[in-house]
Amino acid sequence: SQQGEEDPQALSIQEGENATMNCSYKTSINNLQWYRQNSGRGLVHLILIRSNEREKHSGRLRVTLDTSKKSSSLLITASRAADTASYFCATVYSSASKIIFGSGTRLSIRP
Amino acid sequence: NAGVMQNPRHLVRRRGQEARLRCSPMKGHSHVYWYRQLPEEGLKFMVYLQKENIIDESGMPKERFSAEFPKEGPSILRIQQVVRGDSAAYFCASSPSTGWDEKLFFGSGTQLSVL
Repeated sequence: SQQGEEDPQALSIQEGENATMNCSYKTSINNLQWYRQNSGRGLVHLILIRSNEREKHSGRLRVTLDTSKKSSSLLITASRAADTASYFCATVYSSASKIIFGSGTRLSIRP
Repeated sequence: NAGVMQNPRHLVRRRGQEARLRCSPMKGHSHVYWYRQLPEEGLKFMVYLQKENIIDESGMPKERFSAEFPKEGPSILRIQQVVRGDSAAYFCASSPSTGWDEKLFFGSGTQLSVL
């Protein structure tokens, strides 16, 4: 399977703390994207990082990419209750035409 | 500009019936992806289509499942002779082109329940 794998599968933190999620993948990629899914809804795109980039920021989100380790991390700073959702990484492989999603991290923010 | 529209939102079928799931991409988008999601799991790629063409169907089961994206009208995911194992949420996503930097816009999904 070319699917990316997120770690941890579930994460529960206190509001205000930072949340870090990791994604590992298997083969060369063109880019890596992070999406968010609220319960029972479709996915919403958060941020895209290209294979030649190492770090990217968007508001309270920080994404890093290490192509040598074939891994990426998503950091959400100063978490809020509204950040409770599942977060998925998605990879666009150099050799494929499809976008493959990982298994996701379920993030719960405790008030 | 309306987002990706999927209908129906919920679909109940009995074993052996046919299920037809519809997806209207965002205006100007000619690329459609279908994914399947089981509870507490990630999205499994099924098929990638452009107008009138199937680009990649490597995630589609060999039997009973088919997809189309005609020149006019929505993309259709068709499941014939449904079985209980087909129960899942089916999501459609669209993008304007096939550029590697394109992000996907998702519909709200169709929850298929097979009795």
